[in-house]
Amino acid sequence: GAGVSQSPSNKVTEKGKDVELRCDPISGHTALYWYRQSLGQGLEFLIYFQGNSAPDKSGLPSDRFSAERTGGSVSTLTIQRTQQEDSAVYLCASSLVSFHNEQFFGPGTRLTVL
Amino acid sequence: EDQVTQSPEALRLQEGESSSLNCSYTVSGLRGLFWYRQDPGKGPEFLFTLYSAGEEKEKERLKATLTKKESFLHITAPKPEDSATYLCAVQAGGQNFVFGPGTRLSVLP
Repeated sequence: GAGVSQSPSNKVTEKGKDVELRCDPISGHTALYWYRQSLGQGLEFLIYFQGNSAPDKSGLPSDRFSAERTGGSVSTLTIQRTQQEDSAVYLCASSLVSFHNEQFFGPGTRLTVL
Repeated sequence: EDQVTQSPEALRLQEGESSSLNCSYTVSGLRGLFWYRQDPGKGPEFLFTLYSAGEEKEKERLKATLTKKESFLHITAPKPEDSATYLCAVQAGGQNFVFGPGTRLSVLP
């Protein structure tokens, strides 16, 4: 079956612009996670969805970052007024349920802020 | 604060030369410890989940073990296709996962 997909695969934007990153999880997976991976760094947790609600937003680095999930499926991560330090690979993962379940990762979106 | 460290940062092995990667963690109430493999330009790929001290899991040339403070990923007779970054993650009391920085493994033919 289809895995987790993310779009776009690459995004180059200018400082101050808004960007939207999309994640399509595996069908039937109720949990969805967003992570950020900077060059040479580990994965940094951003936000977690169970269904359409986000019980854990603790990792969002600032109020410029927001995310939503609709229909228990597609999720969008929005970064407003992008800064150069936002440049990273943004990874999405989904799992069947939230606890004790392996996460399936998408290929990521590489964001470059000039 | 939950923390995960991994060592070494990078490891170069000759094909067939067995070794181990370390993942040390400090968490309150471990729910699970996860190992992932990540190839360049791709998302992490799940390898193992360990839930309690003393547990071991194997997959081909890989074996993961868990104690109360650390986990080891043992690689037996590695092949060049085992070259990748190996990530360790823990899930504690909350819903989120805390990842370590990874160990970059290179296996030379």
